This record gives sequence, structure tokens and C-alpha cells, in this order.
Amino acid sequence: GQQVMQIPQYQHVQEGEDFTTYCNSSTTLSNIQWYKQRPGGHPVFLIQLVKSGEVKKQKRLTFQFGEAKKNSSLHITATQTTDVGTYFCARDNAGKSTFGDGTTLTVKP
Amino acid sequence: DGGITQSPKYLFRKEGQNVTLSCEQNLNHDAMYWYRQDPGQGLRLIYYSQIVNDFQKGDIAEGYSVSREKKESFPLTVTSAQKNPTAFYLCASSISSQPQHFGDGTRLSIL
Repeated sequence: GQQVMQIPQYQHVQEGEDFTTYCNSSTTLSNIQWYKQRPGGHPVFLIQLVKSGEVKKQKRLTFQFGEAKKNSSLHITATQTTDVGTYFCARDNAGKSTFGDGTTLTVKP
Repeated sequence: DGGITQSPKYLFRKEGQNVTLSCEQNLNHDAMYWYRQDPGQGLRLIYYSQIVNDFQKGDIAEGYSVSREKKESFPLTVTSAQKNPTAFYLCASSISSQPQHFGDGTRLSIL
């Protein structure tokens, strides 16, 4: 199937350290979306990347879309306790969405 | 405020029963989705609908049914054929293939 693979599954960091999660596909993606789900909550949309090589920033978060449009990454600089949660990437294929299994981030104060 | 409303928040089902989860949106979105999330796992697509009176199976449709008679509503029925229904169910909506807005979810448990 047209899956997206996310690594790592879990990441535990000390507050202030950086964090990166990666999303990979075996097929070319038309776009990639990133979501954050806080513990006990629902996924909230963060950003969508469409163009090859695209880089977008939201404060301490940097999102990249690979040149071949087969991979993407989310990097958080200087993590804070408010960053805890699970980060998902998702692809859309003609209306059918496929989510990665997510990377769960925990931050030690 | 515009948004997606899922009800109930918690639901308990006896074995052999069908239960229906409600999902209503007032965002005027054409597309709606149902996902299942098991503890510590990602979202798996059950059904999705891109337009009223039409819907498609997702990756794990067996044991579930949906209807899309109104643009605003996309109820999900968990039938007795679903042998392991305990999970967190999330409904979402979007404009076509654009980013999805999620409801707060329904937690279903078996008594």
C-alpha cells in the first residue's frame, strides 16, 4: 500500500535539546501534512508542504520536503515541555489519507 | 464557532450490540473521514466521504458502516461483526484534499 513510515517511534529529550522526526515514502508524494496530537487530545494540523525541496518554519519548528518528494522531516529547536505529544505525517491520495504511526516526544524538564 | 462535534465522548457497548457514533460539522466541508486509533498507535482510516451520498472504504472498513445523507453529518456504526471495537474513534473533515480538522473523539469500550 501507499504507506508513510515515520522514525523514530519514540524520542525522549532533555528540555532545551533539539528533536527531529522523519517521514519516508516509497512513492512520490503530491504533498505531505504534519499534525500534532497532545496526550488525550486529537490531532491538530501544523503545516502542509507541496513543493520539492520546500522548507517552512513556525517559530522553533522547521519542516522540510525532500527534493524527490519522497521524504519529509520536522525539526524542533530547543524543545520545551509544551512540545510533548505525538507528531504525525500524512499523505493524501485522491481524497484517501494515510497517516504515519507517529513519533511520540517526551521532554524532561 | 465553526467546528466538528463528536458524541458521545465515552461509549460503552455490550457484546453483540451495534452502536452509532455521531459526527457533525458546520465548516461547510465536502470531505469527511473516520479513523480508529489504538493506544500508542497511529490513525487508521475506516471510511471516508468526499461528497454527500457517496463514501468509500478505508483500510479497515470491516465491521463498520457509514452514511452520508447530509453534508454536515457522517455517522459511524460499529457493528457486532467488529470483534475488537475498543478504541479511540476520530472524525475529521476537510475541503477536498486539504488539511483535516478533527473532532475531540469518542472512546468506545466493551462491557
